Amino acid sequence: DVKVTQSSRYLVKRTGEKVFLECVQDMDHENMFWYRQDPGLGLRLIYFSYDVKMKEKGDIPEGYSVSREKKERFSLILESASTNQTSMYLCASSDPRGATDTQYFGPGTRLTVL
Amino acid sequence: AQSVTQLGSHVSVSEGALVLLRCNYSSSVPPYLFWYVQYPNQGLQLLLKYTSAATLVKGINGFEAEFKKSETSFHLTKPSAHMSDAAEYFCAVSGGNSGYSTLTFGKGTMLLVSP
Repeated sequence: DVKVTQSSRYLVKRTGEKVFLECVQDMDHENMFWYRQDPGLGLRLIYFSYDVKMKEKGDIPEGYSVSREKKERFSLILESASTNQTSMYLCASSDPRGATDTQYFGPGTRLTVL
Repeated sequence: AQSVTQLGSHVSVSEGALVLLRCNYSSSVPPYLFWYVQYPNQGLQLLLKYTSAATLVKGINGFEAEFKKSETSFHLTKPSAHMSDAAEYFCAVSGGNSGYSTLTFGKGTMLLVSP
């Protein structure tokens, strides 16, 4: 089974803090994704990566950056957390060789910024 | 650009009743289509996917969906709801604004099942 893990299930940070959210997948997938999920808005793509050290902006990249130093790990960084970044963050991975774009999701990190 | 519309942010059914969750999409290319389910405080789990083979797709937990190109729809159904089906359901189409390997998600439909 594909396994995607996220470093924390719940996280509480203060405004202005630098926040790291970590995601690890164990299926050698090349593609990895970060979404945020808000009630009534569904999932919105923040950033994705199709290879080590490669990154692409999604629909809402402002206020976020990412890092992918190893194939299995994709980090989301909030340089200076703000209260409007309080949300559920979901990581996903997919194998482009599968040619169906199926994404596999981690359990999510619920981030609260005070 | 791809988009997904899920009709109804909340759908309520009684246990044993038919479940119908609606999804309409727009896509500039032949799409791959997905339904995911999310239980409380969990990530998304793949229910089923359409990848241009059979138009009627069967998934896990007794769910199925039918791809209708003429209606640009991919509605999710289950003949008989169970209490354990209560969750949020997301429809998605491949080829988001950022490229072909990305997915564009609908806003989700919360399924409520009453005894």
